Formats: sequence, C-alpha cells, structure tokens
Amino acid sequence: ELKVEQNPLFLSMQEGKNYTIYCNYSTTSDRLYWYRQDPGKSLESLFVLLSNGAVKQEGRLMASLDTKARLSTLHITAAVHDLSATYFCAVDMRYGGSQGNLIFGKGTKLSVKP
Amino acid sequence: DTAVSQTPKYLVTQMGNDKSIKCEQNLGHDTMYWYKQDSKKFLKIMFSYNNKELIINETVPNRFSPKSPDKAHLNLHINSLELGDSAVYFCASRGQGLFGYTFGSGTRLTVV
Repeated sequence: ELKVEQNPLFLSMQEGKNYTIYCNYSTTSDRLYWYRQDPGKSLESLFVLLSNGAVKQEGRLMASLDTKARLSTLHITAAVHDLSATYFCAVDMRYGGSQGNLIFGKGTKLSVKP
Repeated sequence: DTAVSQTPKYLVTQMGNDKSIKCEQNLGHDTMYWYKQDSKKFLKIMFSYNNKELIINETVPNRFSPKSPDKAHLNLHINSLELGDSAVYFCASRGQGLFGYTFGSGTRLTVV
C-alpha cells in the first residue's frame, strides 16, 4: 500500500524567511503533484513533477523530485502572507493500465506572519 | 465555463436521510473520481470511474453508491446518512497522458 508522508504538518513562518516542506512516499511512482488549498476552497494545482531530478518554480515556490529517494520538496523563498494556506503533496498510484488515482499526504498548514 | 462542477455546494441534512451529490465535467476526460476530505483535512479516494466503468472502490460503506450515466457525469448517492459522513466531498476528473487532475469546488455535507 502506497503511503505518503508529509512534514511538517504545521508551519508558522515569519515573512521573508525560507523553509522547505518534505514529502516522502513508500513505493515507486513516476508522477507527483503539489496542491494548494485555501480555507473552504478547492484544490489548486501548483506543480506536476514527472521525472527524477525534475525541478519547477513558480514565484516564491520551487518543487523538486528525487524518485530514487522517493522524496519531493516544496521550498518557500522569502515567504509572504499570501502564501498562507494548506499544501498537499499527492502521488499518482496506477492500477495496471488504468488512470490511477492520487494518494495524498496529510497536508502542511502554512501560516506566514508579519 | 467551470471545468468540474458539483452541486450542491452545501448540504445540511438529518441523520438517516438519503442524499445525492452531482458532478459534471466538460473537459472530455475519461476518468472521474470522488474524494472525501475529513475534518482533519485528510483527503482519501472513494471511487473512480473510467468511461462509465467502476475502476476503484475503496473501503467505503455500501451506503455510498456512485453512478455514472455517461463519462461526463459521476454522481454520489448516500443512504441512511450518519454523523460521521460529515465531510467535504470533492469530485475530480483526469484525462489521458500527462494531464493532471482537475477538482471540483467541493460539497460540504453536514449531518445533524
């Protein structure tokens, strides 16, 4: 059974600081997603990481994937209040030739304080 | 032009009632899903349909019955609602190849 572990689960940061969220998963997968969820809202896709060594950046967020270590990171640079949200990593689990489904980490609730 | 739309957005109902949540996608995707997000924000797959065929049926009480009349629709019917069914239910769809998953806005179900 695929397990996805995210840490930390809660993160309180000061504006301007850097931090990294970690996502470990237990079995081989070739696709990892990062989502953002604001309170009461749906899931917003941030990144799709498809291969070992993949790195993607959007604004103050950068995601990377190491498939050998089964580890993805979401790095936050110079945090601002607008980044406050819950961030989920999710691993695509395939059933044979089917489309698969997402197995989610428990989420990291990020709070950026002035 | 909503890609994945769910109705209703909010649903408050009494224990023991039967209710349905509807989901429609206009993306032409073959696969649709129901995910449940509990009070701790944990997201878990419930069901998956590929072109109207049930693919994934996780350990979900049989009071929950999905129905897919066509590949653009996936509805969720819940019988004999219980307090523990209170959660946010998200519908999602996924296309072929490298496309990601598109989530609906969610249905917040409250059982009182």
